[in-house]
Amino acid sequence: EVQLMESGGALVQPGGSLRLSCAASGFSFSNYWMNWVRRAPGKGLEFVASIKDDGSKDYYVDSVKGRFTISRDNAKNSLFLQMTSLRADDTAVYYCTTSKGHSVPDWGRGTLVSVSS
Amino acid sequence: DIVMTQSPLSLPVTLGQPASISCMSSQSLVYSDGITYLSWFQRRPGQSPRRLIYWISNRDSGVPDRFSGSGSGTDFTLKISRVEAEDVGVYYCMQGTRWPYSFGQGTELEIK
Repeated sequence: EVQLMESGGALVQPGGSLRLSCAASGFSFSNYWMNWVRRAPGKGLEFVASIKDDGSKDYYVDSVKGRFTISRDNAKNSLFLQMTSLRADDTAVYYCTTSKGHSVPDWGRGTLVSVSS
Repeated sequence: DIVMTQSPLSLPVTLGQPASISCMSSQSLVYSDGITYLSWFQRRPGQSPRRLIYWISNRDSGVPDRFSGSGSGTDFTLKISRVEAEDVGVYYCMQGTRWPYSFGQGTELEIK
């Protein structure tokens, strides 16, 4: 059974930084692209970043380019999201997801990031 | 970027009655390999999203057969043949044809 467990969410001040982690199990992690998807309060879902199975390529939504960095450690079955220069509109639940067949079959429970002074 | 537009945004339905959600994309979702990468997700209250359907009409394992997807090109539909209480939640369509992948705004299904 696929399991994705996010951690690292917290309350942070505007301009601050945070690193999210996702521990993956139950599948061959190194064979999958992975994503971070977020859901802001009262809003819909938004893809944030995506990373190739071997870590050689990554993609970002325009609103986080230059501020967020997605990475992975295939030896430890882990996915990361380094977030810097955080803004109020980054406040959201962040989900770690698998990516397969241009879709999102598996989701973690999410971790809450709140950006506020 | 591809914009996904769902309607209606709110869907009150009587138990046992059918329900239908529309999703339109701002560009064709047919990829260069000929596959249309349109998925549907359900988010029940307090839960993470769950994929119901991928590639327009393929149901995920464990998804009841009262859920069905159809459509082509830019116009897609999710249908529930007979709504049950456990179907309450928000439904999203998603395109995986062009990065950034994108979701519709969500349709909130409630029981009348």
